[in-house]
Amino acid sequence: DAGVIQSPRHEVTEMGQEVTLRCKPISGHNSLFWYRQTMMRGLELLIYFNNNVPIDDSGMPEDRFSAKMPNASFSTLKIQPSEPRDSAVYFCATRGGVFTEAFFGQGTRLTVV
Amino acid sequence: DAKTTQPPSMDCAEGRAANLPCNHSTISGNEYVYWYRQIHSQGPQYIIHGLKNNETNEMASLIITEDRKSSTLILPHATLRDTAVYYCIVRSDGGSNYKLTFGKGTLLTVNP
Repeated sequence: DAGVIQSPRHEVTEMGQEVTLRCKPISGHNSLFWYRQTMMRGLELLIYFNNNVPIDDSGMPEDRFSAKMPNASFSTLKIQPSEPRDSAVYFCATRGGVFTEAFFGQGTRLTVV
Repeated sequence: DAKTTQPPSMDCAEGRAANLPCNHSTISGNEYVYWYRQIHSQGPQYIIHGLKNNETNEMASLIITEDRKSSTLILPHATLRDTAVYYCIVRSDGGSNYKLTFGKGTLLTVNP
């Protein structure tokens, strides 16, 4: 298995533009998580899905952020409009079920200028 | 989930055992201790987890005290590639309400 695949690996965009980050989970994994990492705040859980349904989005910073999981093999995290303070590394992680560990992707480094 | 306390940084000589402590004095009976690590610029990587018994796998050993209020992750023969931030996480398992909440972790530097 190729693991959790995130795209793009790097994204540079101008303030005000829409940004879409993508995640392909490991096949068969039914839980998916989006994290954001910055030097100041560390690793923060933004939202997680179970069986494609959002379970907890309390970590989503504001309405500019939205996440979807239309099917078991794909998820997106969208920021619209983007702001410089959104600059961070965004990680997607997936988990196969109860009593199993989470596997993280390599992350998307987002820079908003 | 119970909170954890870890030293911000530690050093270890290459080839020696690295012992990373974690305090989780408010842990409850159904909460597991998980360890992850994050090598620079990569996503976090699972290492090991346990409930009350000591655990060992190909990467590390996990020693949990009898009262479960603290634990130690042991890397028996640290290498330069083990330099990373190590996170100790306490959480309940089971069900769909799954969260992994990361603290600041311990930056382990393995020196040649």
